[in-house]
Amino acid sequence: AQSVTQPDIHITVSEGASLELRCNYSYGATPYLFWYVQSPGQGLQLLLKYFSGDTLVQGIKGFEAEFKRSQSSFNLRKPSVHWSDAAEYFCAAPGSNTGKLIFGQGTTLQVKP
Amino acid sequence: DAGVIQSPRHEVTEMGQEVTLRCKPISGHDYLFWYRQTMMRGLELLIYFNNNVPIDDSGMPEDRFSAKMPNASFSTLKIQPSEPRDSAVYFCASRRTGWDLNTEAFFGQGTRLTVV
Repeated sequence: AQSVTQPDIHITVSEGASLELRCNYSYGATPYLFWYVQSPGQGLQLLLKYFSGDTLVQGIKGFEAEFKRSQSSFNLRKPSVHWSDAAEYFCAAPGSNTGKLIFGQGTTLQVKP
Repeated sequence: DAGVIQSPRHEVTEMGQEVTLRCKPISGHDYLFWYRQTMMRGLELLIYFNNNVPIDDSGMPEDRFSAKMPNASFSTLKIQPSEPRDSAVYFCASRRTGWDLNTEAFFGQGTRLTVV
């Protein structure tokens, strides 16, 4: 069965430090992959998505993600984290032959001053 | 477009009462999803519709939960009777048909339900 896994439930980084959030997927064909962010008390907002082509995808708020087929990964990165990046981050992929979107468990990012 | 609109934003009700959550998807979107988010279980898909037809309701926790989509611009999620363990944030999301570079699922702001 298809799945999306985010190994890290909680990550803390210092403001200005770099960030990498991990996402692994199981998918037969070339996947479509998404990263969403959820700020406290808000709904989910799309950060970026991968469909095909360039494996390095740029998103909003200075985020990027790299698709690595050999590692079944789609990790989210940011070179310098801001306090406003504190939020929960979700990786997602479409279910096989279904219309639904499968989400990972989410990673909560805390930013230290 | 105003995005996916959910109402109410907050709902506090007593155990045993009926609760109805409402969602207006983005115009032109063929898919509508209901999710529930809790600390313990994270983000769970409850049910989704395609062209107003329920496609997969395997995530609905039990018979107390029901969802309808009478037309393309409106959906409801009903809990009857409600229980304290139903306390959660309920999200509605919608997207158009197909997966391509221009496709994404848009989420509403959610309804925070508290059952006391």
